[in-house]
Amino acid sequence: EAGVAQSPRYKIIEKRQSVAFWCNPISGHATLYWYQQILGQGPKLLIQFQNNGVVDDSQLPKDRFSAERLKGVDSTLKIQPAKLEDSAVYLCASSLARTVKTQYFGPGTRLLVL
Amino acid sequence: QKEVEQDPGPLSVPEGAIVSLNCTYSNSAFQYFMWYRQYSRKGPELLMYTYSSGNKEDGRFTAQVDKSSKYISLFIRDSQPSDSATYLCAMSGTLGQGAQKLVFGQGTRLTINP
Repeated sequence: EAGVAQSPRYKIIEKRQSVAFWCNPISGHATLYWYQQILGQGPKLLIQFQNNGVVDDSQLPKDRFSAERLKGVDSTLKIQPAKLEDSAVYLCASSLARTVKTQYFGPGTRLLVL
Repeated sequence: QKEVEQDPGPLSVPEGAIVSLNCTYSNSAFQYFMWYRQYSRKGPELLMYTYSSGNKEDGRFTAQVDKSSKYISLFIRDSQPSDSATYLCAMSGTLGQGAQKLVFGQGTRLTINP
């Protein structure tokens, strides 16, 4: 079974630029999560999708972050404009159901904002 | 006060030692307790999952939950250099619509010295 795929793996941008990350979950997984992991901290949930609907986006900075999951499969997370404090690893995870114990993580996209 | 507190370490022990990792939490609504292992530049992977107070053993790993004290622990016996990683505790509560949300600790960076 293929795991969660993410791209790009690394991205360096300047502040005020925009950036997008892509995630392909495990086949058949209805629930998809985006997390932000700042260096030295644990992952923080940004947004959770159930199929293509948003279940929770309470910690997503909506003035600059947006996410979509078209057709309930792949997802993209966008930041526009980026700030220095957005430097982090962005992790995508997926699960078969809405139970967190079955959550599988991708390798993450490491973002550096200069 | 953070919902989940975890000593970030770093923790360095000799090979073969018993390792004890701990987390405390403040939200009594947490129902599920997990330990993740995260190798450098990789996504977290689930190690142990417990629902109720008590102990759960899996090979060299033992997870312990004390809900009355809001305290969880992970013990690693006969530690190996391959156990060197960051260990994240995580807990879940229920959002609306029956969905669950993971809240992570800061992570403890562990090094096992040969």
